[in-house]
Amino acid sequence: GENVEQHPSTLSVQEGDSAVIKCTYSDSASNYFPWYKQELGKRPQLIIDIRSNVGEKKDQRIAVTLNKTAKHFSLHITETQPEDSAVYFCAALSSGSRLTFGEGTQLTVNP
Amino acid sequence: DVKVTQSSRYLVKRTGEKVFLECVQDMDHENMFWYRQDPGLGLRLIYFSYDVKMKEKGDIPEGYSVSREKKERFSLILESASTNQTSMYLCASSSDTGGPLSGANVLTFGAGSRLTVL
Repeated sequence: GENVEQHPSTLSVQEGDSAVIKCTYSDSASNYFPWYKQELGKRPQLIIDIRSNVGEKKDQRIAVTLNKTAKHFSLHITETQPEDSAVYFCAALSSGSRLTFGEGTQLTVNP
Repeated sequence: DVKVTQSSRYLVKRTGEKVFLECVQDMDHENMFWYRQDPGLGLRLIYFSYDVKMKEKGDIPEGYSVSREKKERFSLILESASTNQTSMYLCASSSDTGGPLSGANVLTFGAGSRLTVL
């Protein structure tokens, strides 16, 4: 089955700096890669996703890049703000509708 | 407008008890999932279902079973709860239809059920 690894497990940045979270996956058939944000005490919510027919996608301050050859994808957050502090999960969709998640990254943005 | 509802936010059970966690979605989604969330381990898939009365094992099915008698309802059952099943349980649903631009495969999560087994 699919295996997704996520790094780093914790990330602390100063407000205004950029943050990058990286994930690797094992199944070359995976074709959909979402990122979920989970604020403290709340449910995970989709923030951005990318499908295997594109290499990069942007939505305001967040972007995701995908390298299918190397089987890795990354989340980039620019101009970080305190409200970006949360746990971020990457995931990969392989067989059927099944999403496999990474271990999560606790991002802390210090004012 | 809550779309995925989990019946219990907090439960405390004794070792050996049978535990039912209920999940209902109102989006007419075909797919429903049960994940377990533990610190440092991410979201691990327990069971999922593509259709009524269908079920598939996820990555950690041992000690759990599921039931999907109606499209909107997916239940997680712990036949005999153990302390190592103390965790946060998240239900989610998704649809395959409509293609990438319409949100196919996007998971909508419930608020979670925090289970403590003593």
